[in-house]
Amino acid sequence: GAVVSQHPSWVICKSGTSVKIECRSLDFQATTMFWYRQFPKQSLMLMATSNEGSKATYEQGVEKDKFLINHASLTLSTLTVTSAHPEDSSFYICSARVGYDNSPLHFGNGTRLTVT
Amino acid sequence: GQQLNQSPQSMFIQEGEDVSMNCTSSSIFNTWLWYKQEPGEGPVLLIALYKAGELTSNGRLTAQFGITRKDSFLNISASIPSDVGIYFCAGRTLTGNQFYFGTGTSLTVIP
Repeated sequence: GAVVSQHPSWVICKSGTSVKIECRSLDFQATTMFWYRQFPKQSLMLMATSNEGSKATYEQGVEKDKFLINHASLTLSTLTVTSAHPEDSSFYICSARVGYDNSPLHFGNGTRLTVT
Repeated sequence: GQQLNQSPQSMFIQEGEDVSMNCTSSSIFNTWLWYKQEPGEGPVLLIALYKAGELTSNGRLTAQFGITRKDSFLNISASIPSDVGIYFCAGRTLTGNQFYFGTGTSLTVIP
């Protein structure tokens, strides 16, 4: 149980275009999902908390107009990287938790974004 | 965000040896999680800890929630080659909604 699916697993796009990444909880409902970014050989940095039916909460330093988050249902959150630039190239990973606030996060397999 | 420091940063050990790593924070946490990540994949949950002093095992892995609530420890006994990967701790503060991740410990097991 507690499977999180992320799509696509990798994407290459040209500078200036936008890319949408989907995160789905397959066997549970998630009112809250979290989006992380990871650079090579580094830790996971929390970007934003995605809340079903309301606005996402962004961490300090993360541009909300650049990284658009939509959590339209209890099983789907999307992250759109708008007007992507090479410096946006990274590994983006979503996570969700089952039930109460303290329950562990379950992660998707990540999306490798390369902006050329 | 919160800064969690993990130690050591990397380890190279012989197969069969035991491994110990730890994670410290400047804040008090009410939940500690330990994950393993392999290249190109998302982290996989190993152990979750919810109470100060708690000691929890998952096979050859044992983790402890530090008494001060500012640290946690992960031990791997009798390491095998498939233990290779990066191990991350993650913590949640008393009032926060998010989990913050440690800097990671890269483990290499030499057969």
